[in-house]
Amino acid sequence: GQSLEQPSEVTAVEGAIVQINCTYQTSGFYGLSWYQQHDGGAPTFLSYNALDGLEETGRFSSFLSRSDSYGYLLLQELQMKDSASYFCAVRYYNQGGKLIFGQGTELSVKP
Amino acid sequence: DGGITQSPKYLFRKEGQNVTLSCEQNLNHDAMYWYRQDPGQGLRLIYYSQIVNDFQKGDIAEGYSVSREKKESFPLTVTSAQKNPTAFYLCASSIPSEGNQPQHFGDGTRLSIL
Repeated sequence: GQSLEQPSEVTAVEGAIVQINCTYQTSGFYGLSWYQQHDGGAPTFLSYNALDGLEETGRFSSFLSRSDSYGYLLLQELQMKDSASYFCAVRYYNQGGKLIFGQGTELSVKP
Repeated sequence: DGGITQSPKYLFRKEGQNVTLSCEQNLNHDAMYWYRQDPGQGLRLIYYSQIVNDFQKGDIAEGYSVSREKKESFPLTVTSAQKNPTAFYLCASSIPSEGNQPQHFGDGTRLSIL
């Protein structure tokens, strides 16, 4: 179907690198987006991959491989403030521009 | 500063009561969206509107209604037909596009049953 699968929880320590995967079954979307949401707050846009490959924005990078039906968000030099939920999302063709979100991955960064 | 304003931040509903959640944006965006988020869950689309005076049902529209009389405003009514309304409600807006047009979110309204 059109669901996006993510791990529910990930734990890492400060300064480490963590990768959050997002897999899907149905292709035919414009690109893969990532959003960050701190507890009880508004989701904020992090990155977008229209094409296969790696997009880098500071400590965060995002990757998409359409042939392997997955993407990931890579967070480097983890900081305590990175503790949040991370959602992948796609816009499928002929869906009126609406975003479909994954269930989210809760990242806990420990000292 | 441009942004999206949701009000109230917290809302309590009595049995059989309709309540309306406000969403206003000054980003000049044509598209607006309403999502429901349950604890530990992703965002599920309730309704969306690509242009004034037009809106479409999302994945979980039953028990909800919307209107889009002005570009800036997209209120959501949670009707008494919605039997499990307790959730975090998020409003978003964007430039209508099928490519990379990020959605901008409000700070949400947390609705509870009395």
